[in-house]
Amino acid sequence: GQNIDQPTEMTATEGAIVQINCTYQTSGFNGLFWYQQHAGEAPTFLSYNVLDGLEEKGRFSSFLSRSKGYSYLLLKELQMKDSASYLCAVMDSNYQLIWGAGTKLIIKP
Amino acid sequence: DTEVTQTPKHLVMGMTNKKSLKCEQHMGHRAMYWYKQKAKKPPELMFVYSYEKLSINESVPSRFSPECPNSSLLNLHLHALQPEDSALYLCASSPHRGSGANVLTFGAGSRLTVL
Repeated sequence: GQNIDQPTEMTATEGAIVQINCTYQTSGFNGLFWYQQHAGEAPTFLSYNVLDGLEEKGRFSSFLSRSKGYSYLLLKELQMKDSASYLCAVMDSNYQLIWGAGTKLIIKP
Repeated sequence: DTEVTQTPKHLVMGMTNKKSLKCEQHMGHRAMYWYKQKAKKPPELMFVYSYEKLSINESVPSRFSPECPNSSLLNLHLHALQPEDSALYLCASSPHRGSGANVLTFGAGSRLTVL
């Protein structure tokens, strides 16, 4: 079967750095996405990785290792507004998005 | 215009009502999606339209009926729903299907409550 695992909840301090991990087992691989979702709102796109390595976009970076079936989202200089759920999703061989359950990130002052 | 617009934002309906959710995008995207999301769960795919044709129906009950009148509009017709259908219904669009870097843009969602 297809499976994506990410921690249910994480807590971090304002101004710090946090890494949210995602491991996956899917039927084929056509890229991995990270989305941010604030409570009661729509998911918004953060990053896309299809090749191994690190993609940096401002305070957010995303890393992919296809051989290990592993990705992480790195958030630096955390702000209170970063409190949200972070969803990892993999596009499989049929170009279907397989979603993880999401990681709820709580930022404390 | 880089938005997906959904109406209504909130909908309360009885089990015998007929209502519709509407979605609109003007980004020239040719793929449109309906997702259902329960609290603290990831989005669940319901339907996919590609070039105004239904390409995926994820075994959704017939009380949900999608319609794509043109490339910019997507409707979800609701009839005889059950209380367990209460959820956030998300519409999304993407440039197309069938390639990896196919970023979905989501609407703000329609919060549905079935009494």
